[in-house]
Amino acid sequence: DAKTTQPTSMDCAEGRAANLPCNHSTISGNEYVYWYRQIHSQGPQYIIHGLKNNETNEMASLIITEDRKSSTLILPHATLRDTAVYYCIVRETTGFQKLVFGTGTRLLVSP
Amino acid sequence: ETGVTQTPRHLVMGMTNKKSLKCEQHLGHNAMYWYKQSAKKPLELMFVYNFKEQTENNSVPSRFSPECPNSSHLFLHLHTLQPEDSALYLCASSQGAASGGFGGELFFGEGSRLTVL
Repeated sequence: DAKTTQPTSMDCAEGRAANLPCNHSTISGNEYVYWYRQIHSQGPQYIIHGLKNNETNEMASLIITEDRKSSTLILPHATLRDTAVYYCIVRETTGFQKLVFGTGTRLLVSP
Repeated sequence: ETGVTQTPRHLVMGMTNKKSLKCEQHLGHNAMYWYKQSAKKPLELMFVYNFKEQTENNSVPSRFSPECPNSSHLFLHLHTLQPEDSALYLCASSQGAASGGFGGELFFGEGSRLTVL
């Protein structure tokens, strides 16, 4: 079962920052937070992951609260091509790290 | 281009047909996965192979039969399917591990869209 809660949908204007929240209040100390996205009719694409500290890469930033019970994925300058379903997933750091997808957040970026 | 190639991209088959989906990865990974995505449902993990050994079978009906001849290729053999098996079937790969502790980032193919008539 998915261990995260995300809003069903969000809208964002092109060029603005998109902030996608995720609640994972039952996360344990040995679980990472992963984000993937799925553009329509394509396979999911890895975006970023983190354990405790905030992370940034060329695609996005991940902000994890100090108690690790929630996180926010930030797309700093959303484009139309960022329209997709965004999945927040928690997975263990040891053993077989199964990815369990929930229903995600459908982000619509508009002109 | 993710380095994971799935064929065919689209497949229509009758309930009595036998067909196969193919997945090939060019990333040097040792773990491969099949996921199923039905309309308006989350992705469901079906099978996992680590170094050619099946390590996960998520209660998948026997009409789906996976095969992993080597670390670069993964097949899903289909026979006597039902209309409710119509879905997008996604293959993924990742770094494997000789003794557990594998997964990391998964790289997905574009998927094979299956329609069962």
